[in-house]
Amino acid sequence: ETGVTQSPTHLIKTRGQQVTLRCSSQSGHNTVSWYQQALGQGPQFIFQYYREEENGRGNFPPRFSGLQFPNYSSELNVNALELDDSALYLCASTLGDSGPGELFFGEGSRLTVL
Amino acid sequence: AQKITQTQPGMFVQEKEAVTLDCTYDTSDPSYGLFWYKQPSSGEMIFLIYQGSYDQQNATEGRYSLNFQKARKSANLVISASQLGDSAMYFCAMRERARNTPLVFGKGTRLSVIA
Repeated sequence: ETGVTQSPTHLIKTRGQQVTLRCSSQSGHNTVSWYQQALGQGPQFIFQYYREEENGRGNFPPRFSGLQFPNYSSELNVNALELDDSALYLCASTLGDSGPGELFFGEGSRLTVL
Repeated sequence: AQKITQTQPGMFVQEKEAVTLDCTYDTSDPSYGLFWYKQPSSGEMIFLIYQGSYDQQNATEGRYSLNFQKARKSANLVISASQLGDSAMYFCAMRERARNTPLVFGKGTRLSVIA
């Protein structure tokens, strides 16, 4: 039990549509990251938010965007969906400013784009 | 650029035996952290163990230990006394420098524990 919850757990969209994925982390987890995990691959870093501002981004196009809210929840938005966007999307948070900075992950949102 | 390599796509181990999952990494940064995660079929990534680049001793957490060989840039995970519940994907990951830089993951190893 990591205290990170994601919704929805599964969803199906068609190419060109838009999707919003949601994540809720524990109080005190001031950093949230989003990862994309394609089938058979390791997670790929999309972006990271620290205290409601984006402070790191991986090699993903601008149609991937996000928000972090004061209540430690966050969103990942993907516009103009493509078939290759089909993947497991993982949200992860980091506890405060102490310790090694391990990420606490949710169970993910599995997106299928048809 | 940092890079993680896991060369074993799949491994089998007999229940109660020990198993080693390989991980090599590449970085030019002298300060970094190495992590291992377990991913069951449910999808959640479960943190197992952490090793800092300046740590003098190998990390241990219960049945998990990390065989850290800095000169060889390897950070192998050793699971002792394997259990059926250990069957999962295992990912090695690294973070350079500051704790808020992103984790970079390897492609993972699928471990199957046989009764």
